[in-house]
Amino acid sequence: NAGVTQTPKFQVLKTGQSMTLQCAQDMNHNSMYWYRQDPGMGLRLIYYSASEGTTDKGEVPNGYNVSRLNKREFSLRLESAAPSQTSVYFCASSEALPRGHPPRTYEQYFGPGTRLTVT
Amino acid sequence: GEDVEQSLFLSVREGDSSVINCTYTDSSSTYLYWYKQEPGAGLQLLTYIFSNMDMKQDQRLTVLLNKKDKHLSLRIADTQTGDSAIYFCAESLCGAGKSTFGDGTTLTVKP
Repeated sequence: NAGVTQTPKFQVLKTGQSMTLQCAQDMNHNSMYWYRQDPGMGLRLIYYSASEGTTDKGEVPNGYNVSRLNKREFSLRLESAAPSQTSVYFCASSEALPRGHPPRTYEQYFGPGTRLTVT
Repeated sequence: GEDVEQSLFLSVREGDSSVINCTYTDSSSTYLYWYKQEPGAGLQLLTYIFSNMDMKQDQRLTVLLNKKDKHLSLRIADTQTGDSAIYFCAESLCGAGKSTFGDGTTLTVKP
């Protein structure tokens, strides 16, 4: 199992350019997430997808769009990059609670991150 | 709303114990987690505790939960240089996949 993979690992964009960050997981997880990590600000949730076919805004969705392409893949798009979007972006996935099963944890499995610089 | 707070930095000497503290606001939190992030990598789950437990021990790690004060701590015994990393506290609610993360505590272990 590769776990959660992200591409690219590094990217430099000019202000106004667009790009899509790719994420895939091979653990058959229902839920997937996009976070950004900035120094001193911890992890902030951008968007998440509780299951295939659904997406919801997180804490900082402005300037981003997402697509849950299928159960495995969840992409993050920057339509018009801004310097404020310079950050490290992490994708994560977790299981969802099956009906009838006892409660279980929702630990998240993280990808290695994408370092994005917008000049 | 949900909020998770941690102190930003902790420095200890190799062989000492480290205690990383976390407070949270949502009393209905069901699961509380500790994640570790090494330089240039994503977060990895270290351990977790259910809200109906007071303590959990896993080798060198001890998690203590004080539900009344909404306080969670992670104790690392015999801290090694390889334990230097950022440690994140997180909470989630039963039936919800989302977690709320603290800002992370950077642990530096000096030889």
